[in-house]
Amino acid sequence: EAEVAQSPRYKITEKSQAVAFWCDPISGHATLYWYRQILGQGPELLVQFQDESVVDDSQLPKDRFSAERLKGVDSTLKIQPAELGDSAMYLCASSLASTYNEQFFGPGTRLTVL
Amino acid sequence: GDSVTQMEGPVTLSEEAFLTINCTYTATGYPSLFWYVQYPGEGLQLLLKATKADDKGSNKGFEATYRKETTSFHLEKGSVQVSDSAVYFCALSGLRGGSNYKLTFGKGTLLTVNP
Repeated sequence: EAEVAQSPRYKITEKSQAVAFWCDPISGHATLYWYRQILGQGPELLVQFQDESVVDDSQLPKDRFSAERLKGVDSTLKIQPAELGDSAMYLCASSLASTYNEQFFGPGTRLTVL
Repeated sequence: GDSVTQMEGPVTLSEEAFLTINCTYTATGYPSLFWYVQYPGEGLQLLLKATKADDKGSNKGFEATYRKETTSFHLEKGSVQVSDSAVYFCALSGLRGGSNYKLTFGKGTLLTVNP
């Protein structure tokens, strides 16, 4: 069964360092999402891609976060510099298209900022 | 904007007990409704869904019915097992600008089932 892949699964970093997360969506899925899930909360959308284009990044803290999906397949989310409040689970999801409302989630990257 | 309110946890049950987790929503138009489950240390898995009023989603013994009149999508299971221990998220998918769908999640309900 096809799955969304994410790496690393766990990341510990110090405040002010740079971190990067990688996501490989299900093959053929044009739409890719990055979510942040703070402990005890539901996921919140950070950025949505349709192929290689950003569709929605209204909740992305652009002073420190960046995301790219250069070839419209896999994607990287970067934080520079990391802050204590960035400690969270970062989830990637994909769907066939933005007009298709079922999303499939990866296992997530647990980030701890010390 | 869209919002989802679900029953606060934690919920602790004995094995074979009946489970209900309440979920209500606010949305414009006709959203699709979902229940996702998250096991410790893992990502979210889709448990069940319903795309229109009166639809019943079901999977692995769990059920939820899309009730438009009460804007609710309560999750139920007749007999829970220890392996059902997880966090359950109610979510809705509504149109946002053009034809893009956006998932809005509730805060999650932690379920612990004891043997």
